[in-house]
Amino acid sequence: QMQLVESGGGVVQPGRSLRVSCAASGFTFSNYGMHWVRQAPGKGLEWVAVISYDGHNIYYGDSVKGRFTISRDNSKSTVFLQMDSLRLEDTAVYYCAKSEGVSWRDVFDFWGRGTMVTVSS
Amino acid sequence: DIVLTQSPLSQPVTPGQPVSISCRSSQSLLHTNGINYLDWYLQRPGQSPQVLIYLASQRASGVPDRFSGSGSGTDFTLRISRVEAEDVGVYYCMQLLQIPLTFGGGTKVEIK
Repeated sequence: QMQLVESGGGVVQPGRSLRVSCAASGFTFSNYGMHWVRQAPGKGLEWVAVISYDGHNIYYGDSVKGRFTISRDNSKSTVFLQMDSLRLEDTAVYYCAKSEGVSWRDVFDFWGRGTMVTVSS
Repeated sequence: DIVLTQSPLSQPVTPGQPVSISCRSSQSLLHTNGINYLDWYLQRPGQSPQVLIYLASQRASGVPDRFSGSGSGTDFTLRISRVEAEDVGVYYCMQLLQIPLTFGGGTKVEIK
């Protein structure tokens, strides 16, 4: 069955970097776009970034543009989120989500359980 | 950026009763191809979000038919015809018309 397993979360100081990963299984990873969505404690959902099935098209949310980098390794069925210059307000659960198709407009048809990132001094 | 405003913020419900949640967009979500790029998600307590409705009115696979979506342009509605205990959680609308993708603030549905 389909699985998305995030990892790499933890506690990091402001200004430092962290990379989170999302390992996929149960479907042909290289056929689908992948998103990152985050949720600050007690808050709503915020879209972070998307990468196309082939890695050629990438888009970011306003609050992370220039600081975060999404990438993927189709040979390992894994999508990454490199987070640099972290801020206190980046503290959140980070979910990866699978797109139903190749377009960033396709519905998010499956989500991982998330990994917690805490930015604190 | 497109702003989505959901109402109400909270909805206490009695099992078996209907529920409606509104999502209003700051811009029309109707693409020139005739598709409204608006999806609905449910996040149950302690769980990840899951899709209920996509493209405004298409029920996702495995979603009970008591859930329905309607609307076009800037006004959308999610309806639950008869609420069950398992429907508690926070409901979010999300627009996929333009980048950045944005979510509504959420509507919490709880049992009275």
